[in-house]
Amino acid sequence: GESVGLHLPTLSVQEGDNSIINCAYSNSASDYFIWYKQESGKGPQFIIDIRSNMDKRQGQRVTVLLNKTVKHLSLQIAATQPGDSAVYFCAETRHPGNKLTFGGGTRVLVKP
Amino acid sequence: DAGVIQSPRHEVTEMGQEVTLRCKPISGHDYLFWYRQTMMRGLELLIYFNNNVPIDDSGMPEDRFSAKMPNASFSTLKIQPSEPRDSAVYFCASSMDGIYDSGNTIYFGEGSWLTVV
Repeated sequence: GESVGLHLPTLSVQEGDNSIINCAYSNSASDYFIWYKQESGKGPQFIIDIRSNMDKRQGQRVTVLLNKTVKHLSLQIAATQPGDSAVYFCAETRHPGNKLTFGGGTRVLVKP
Repeated sequence: DAGVIQSPRHEVTEMGQEVTLRCKPISGHDYLFWYRQTMMRGLELLIYFNNNVPIDDSGMPEDRFSAKMPNASFSTLKIQPSEPRDSAVYFCASSMDGIYDSGNTIYFGEGSWLTVV
């Protein structure tokens, strides 16, 4: 089945371009953040994480930026590919934190 | 490893019936989480277990919902009686350690899509 959230904000991006997905978090006490990717009919999949003592973290083709001043998180995907089409969620928690609070999600559509 | 295994993948049931969702976590993972995903509320944590013991069930919506973990390799989420507003995708996830210590080890199953008519 489809991922829930048919009314999600959508980002359309041309294949090969860079994507930037934004997330505003609510709890100033949150100090650990995770980005997830959810493909249609599947569960969320870990992409990258960042702790509050960092402003930037890079992975393979992905970069997460954290601005604690304005409580903003972003995920940058370099050279977006068709396989990147999915819904992307940010999630936050704080120590000792096993309770993740998820954002509403952004749908990314990659145009060939 | 086969990952987190959930069953059934899809279930349609009538209001008032009992629903049991099942989860087999990844072997060796000490934490197990049940999430619910709906259009209106997004992804919400219902309950989580550590070493088979329920630690936080504050997300369980009401007494109609119950969850058990009788052993390290099996958990159930039960809804009795079910109502149309319970229609959602229910995800089970497991992790080796707590999320804060090792968030990159949390793995989600493919979900159980429940429709209550």
